[in-house]
This record gives sequence, structure tokens and C-alpha cells, in this order.
Amino acid sequence: AQSVAQPEDQVNVAEGNPLTVKCTYSVSGNPYLFWYVQYPNRGLQFLLKYITGDNLVKGSYGFEAEFNKSQTSFHLKKPSALVSDSALYFCAVSPQYSGAGSYQLTFGKGTKLSVIP
Amino acid sequence: EPEVTQTPSHQVTQMGQEVILRCVPISNHLYFYWYRQILGQKVEFLVSFYNNEISEKSEIFDDQFSVERPDGSNFTLKIRSTKLEDSAMYFCASSEAIHRGPDTQYFGPGTRLTVL
Repeated sequence: AQSVAQPEDQVNVAEGNPLTVKCTYSVSGNPYLFWYVQYPNRGLQFLLKYITGDNLVKGSYGFEAEFNKSQTSFHLKKPSALVSDSALYFCAVSPQYSGAGSYQLTFGKGTKLSVIP
Repeated sequence: EPEVTQTPSHQVTQMGQEVILRCVPISNHLYFYWYRQILGQKVEFLVSFYNNEISEKSEIFDDQFSVERPDGSNFTLKIRSTKLEDSAMYFCASSEAIHRGPDTQYFGPGTRLTVL
């Protein structure tokens, strides 16, 4: 069974500084990896995904993530944090297609990012 | 930009009552999902639905749960006899298709279910 770990419940970063939100995963075979963001009273918004190809994936709002197979990690990064980036961030993994007709996502518990002005 | 919508935003019910949570997926999407998040816990997969039938379901999705696509736009989750432990945020998601890899799942804003 697949699993995702987000080791930090909260990350605090000063506005303008680079940010990293960590994620490690466990899955049989090659993983499909996702980052979602949740603002208060809103649903999960898709940021980016890794399916195959380049290990560095660029997504929405200036975010990027680096897939590292040897370390089974998919950390979310942004060069310069904005106050508006403050939200709850979820990493998710899906295994290779099981033939059952869908790709269910397994989520981490989330990391609360606070960007301090 | 098209989005997934869910109604109601908050549902309060008595234990043992039936509830129906409604979702309108993005119009050209073919795969539909329900997830839930108990307060303070992870988002958990419940069920996926394609071509008018369940594709996969988790252990959580027992006989008390059912899903339906009653018309061309709505996708519903029914809990037949609610329990206290069903209190959670329920998210609907949809994706366009399965190609070589998973298409992105787009999530609705959620329905907060409170069982008293």
C-alpha cells in the first residue's frame, strides 16, 4: 500500500525568502506525485504533478517540486514566498494504474505554511 | 474556469438519518471521486466512479454508502444511516480521462457533515 509523509506540521518563512515544504512517499513501482493547496473554507486546489520525465516540475503560482527517486521525496519549493502563499499544503501519491479504472490518491496529513510579512 | 461545485456547504443531521451530498463535476470529465477528511486527519479516498459504475472503493465505503449519477450533471454520495464517526468534510473530485498516467483530479470546496 502507498503512503505519504509530510514531516512538518507547520513551516514558517519570512516574506521574500525561499520556502520548502517536505514530502516523502512509499509506493510500489513508479509513483505519480501531486501537490495541492487548501485555503481556508476552500477546496483542494491543484498545484503541480510529476508523472514522468524531468525531475523538476513547475506548477502554478511560481511553485516547483523536485522528484528524487533515490530519496523517495517530492519537496515543494518556491524561490520567494508571498504572504498570500499562507495555506495548507498537501502532498499526494498515486500508484501505477491498477487496471481498476481510476487513480485513487493517497494524501499526506498536510503542512501549514505561514509566510510572515 | 470550470470548477467542481458541491452542495450543501454544511449539513447537520441526527445520528441514524440519511444524508445525500451533491456534487456537480466539471462538464467534460469522465471520472468522479469522493474523499473525506475527518477533522485533524488525512484526506482519505472513499470511492471512484466511471461509466455509471463504481471503479474502486476503500474499506471505509461500506454498505451504508452509495453513489449515483442520477442525471448528466450531478454525482451524489448517500449515507443511509449516519453515525457520529461519519462527521467529516466530504470532497468530490473529477478528472477528464485516464491516458498514460493519471489526469489531474479537481476538487470541490467540500461539504462539512456534522452528525449529532
